[in-house]
Amino acid sequence: DVVLTQTPPTLSATIGQSVSISCRSSQSLLHSNGNTYLHWLLQRPGQSPQLLIYLVSRLESGVPNRFSGSGSGTDFTLKISGVEAEDLGVYYCVQGTHAPWTFGGGTKLELK
Amino acid sequence: EVQLQQSGAELGKPGTSVKLSCKVSGYNIRNTYMHWVNQRPGKGLEWIGRIDPANGNTIYAEKFKSKATLTADTSSNTAYMQLSQLKSDDTAIYFCAMNHWFAYWGQGTLVTVSS
Repeated sequence: DVVLTQTPPTLSATIGQSVSISCRSSQSLLHSNGNTYLHWLLQRPGQSPQLLIYLVSRLESGVPNRFSGSGSGTDFTLKISGVEAEDLGVYYCVQGTHAPWTFGGGTKLELK
Repeated sequence: EVQLQQSGAELGKPGTSVKLSCKVSGYNIRNTYMHWVNQRPGKGLEWIGRIDPANGNTIYAEKFKSKATLTADTSSNTAYMQLSQLKSDDTAIYFCAMNHWFAYWGQGTLVTVSS
């Protein structure tokens, strides 16, 4: 199975600060059809996860454009340009290129 | 508006089974995948499996192959997951999620296993 390693596990930030989360895969996530099925989710406390970014860099409808995704192959990054209070929670990367789908371990974003 | 409405909390005894439901409104489940994900207390997300409701094809994570059974009823636009031989470490919140990149989620169903 593909292992997704997220770093850091915990991230402390002040409001307005820009932060990045890394997601590294044990195998290339480039599918034979040319797509890379690497996505980012945010789970706020007590809530269901929500999709932020899909296919590495595509912003889900309704998600603020301070969120951006980048990367290729095995290395991917989620960037938040100017953290806001509503961004606090746990961020997960998830891959669907290779069955079974797998999640990263999560990165908890908290206020400094 | 797409909505996923999951069934209510379950209390199951060890060795028994429970069947969870996820009713979708606003989208035809024949046109997408339905995933199931769990989250044990204080832990991260864990993928259980997915079903293609159009043909019933399923894929499971190895550790859930003998634990979970995924089905779907396209006439009622509802996905189901049966969990069998419940053990205490099956206590978790179980989410259904829809489409290839988990764009839509249910509110979660808490399953508690206790004698």
